[in-house]
Amino acid sequence: DTGVSQNPRHKITKRGQNVTFRCDPISEHNRLYWYRQTLGQGPEFLTYFQNEAQLEKSRLLSDRFSAERPKGSFSTLEIQRTEQGDSAMYLCASSSMRLAGAKNIQYFGAGTRLSVL
Amino acid sequence: AQTVTQSQPEMSVQEAETVTLSCTYDTSESNYYLFWYKQPPSRQMILVIRQEAYKQQNATENRFSVNFQKAAKSFSLKISDSQLGDTAMYFCAFMTGLQGAQKLVFGQGTRLTINP
Repeated sequence: DTGVSQNPRHKITKRGQNVTFRCDPISEHNRLYWYRQTLGQGPEFLTYFQNEAQLEKSRLLSDRFSAERPKGSFSTLEIQRTEQGDSAMYLCASSSMRLAGAKNIQYFGAGTRLSVL
Repeated sequence: AQTVTQSQPEMSVQEAETVTLSCTYDTSESNYYLFWYKQPPSRQMILVIRQEAYKQQNATENRFSVNFQKAAKSFSLKISDSQLGDTAMYFCAFMTGLQGAQKLVFGQGTRLTINP
């Protein structure tokens, strides 16, 4: 078990470009979450998946954001037409609804830091 | 809406001292979970300790313990015998929607520095 993996660790892009981040959760975890963390703040919930189904999206997730989790494994978060306000750390977390003792615990990846110039 | 407040943006103590980080939250739910997460510089967020709201006994994990006051909606973290490796951002978090999304609501964080 290598934990939650996120790629890339850092992404620098120009305003207006599209970017995509990837998250590989812990293998037996059926839930996957995306959070956004701006400088000096705590993470804020964006969206989550149970298996391959995206069950809830925050109002923070504008139409320019889309997330997928094909086959209930890895997930991607795409931001189209990036804006400077999108600059943040994007965190992925996974959890299991089935593992006794580990229920309700979210395990985080190291995040992808996005800088929009 | 649930909110989590950490009133201490920064704290600094000497190695081996005991330090307490404060957290208050607001919710109308009766059953929920509370967490403290640690985020070392440039590293991933790690769970420190978890408390289930229906349990009156305060959770402990080695040098880490909580003081959970449900009526006051207070959830402080005590670190005993602090070590240099405890230097990190500490986030208090509330888990909402236990029958649904189980998403975390975080406070603004407390930057803790342990000095040698």
